[in-house]
Amino acid sequence: GENVEQHPSTLSVQEGDSAVIKCTYSDSASNYFPWYKQELGKRPQLIIDIRSNVGEKKDQRIAVTLNKTAKHFSLHITETQPEDSAVYFCAASKTGANNLFFGTGTRLTVIP
Amino acid sequence: GAVVSQHPSWVICKSGTSVKIECRSLDFQATTMFWYRQFPKQSLMLMATSNEGSKATYEQGVEKDKFLINHASLTLSTLTVTSAHPEDSSFYICSAGSVAGVNEQFFGPGTRLTVL
Repeated sequence: GENVEQHPSTLSVQEGDSAVIKCTYSDSASNYFPWYKQELGKRPQLIIDIRSNVGEKKDQRIAVTLNKTAKHFSLHITETQPEDSAVYFCAASKTGANNLFFGTGTRLTVIP
Repeated sequence: GAVVSQHPSWVICKSGTSVKIECRSLDFQATTMFWYRQFPKQSLMLMATSNEGSKATYEQGVEKDKFLINHASLTLSTLTVTSAHPEDSSFYICSAGSVAGVNEQFFGPGTRLTVL
């Protein structure tokens, strides 16, 4: 089955700096890669996703890049703000399977 | 759109009792629903996948007789934790997928189960 690894497990940045979280996956058939943000005690919220037919996707301060050859994808948050502090999970899936395989999560702390 | 509700949001029960958790898709029909378990400061662990009208598919290591899943309609799935024990205490989250073959999932708010 799919195995998703995520690094780092914790990340602290100064407000205004950029944050990068990286994930690798093992199943070359995976073609859908969402990123979720989860605040304490709350549900995961989809913040951005990318499909295998593109290499990069951007939404305001958030971007995701995908390298299918190397089987890794990354989340980039620019101009970080204190409200970006949360746990971020990457995930991988493939068409037809529906189920998501999650990374272990990254606790991001943005220091004001 | 794409709202998923979960009930109850928290429950405390005595060891040996059964607890039912409901997951509803409020504004769309969910062909597939997923049940996850999350321990403190850990990732979401997929427990099972349920499709409306068919038996759930359980992940390896998840006891199907202990975690009963029913997906009776396109908007409702239930998870029953039977004969709960303290080690079953956890945060249980459901999610729903709207269209078969399309991977996006929408999560419920979660249920915190505490077994005394």
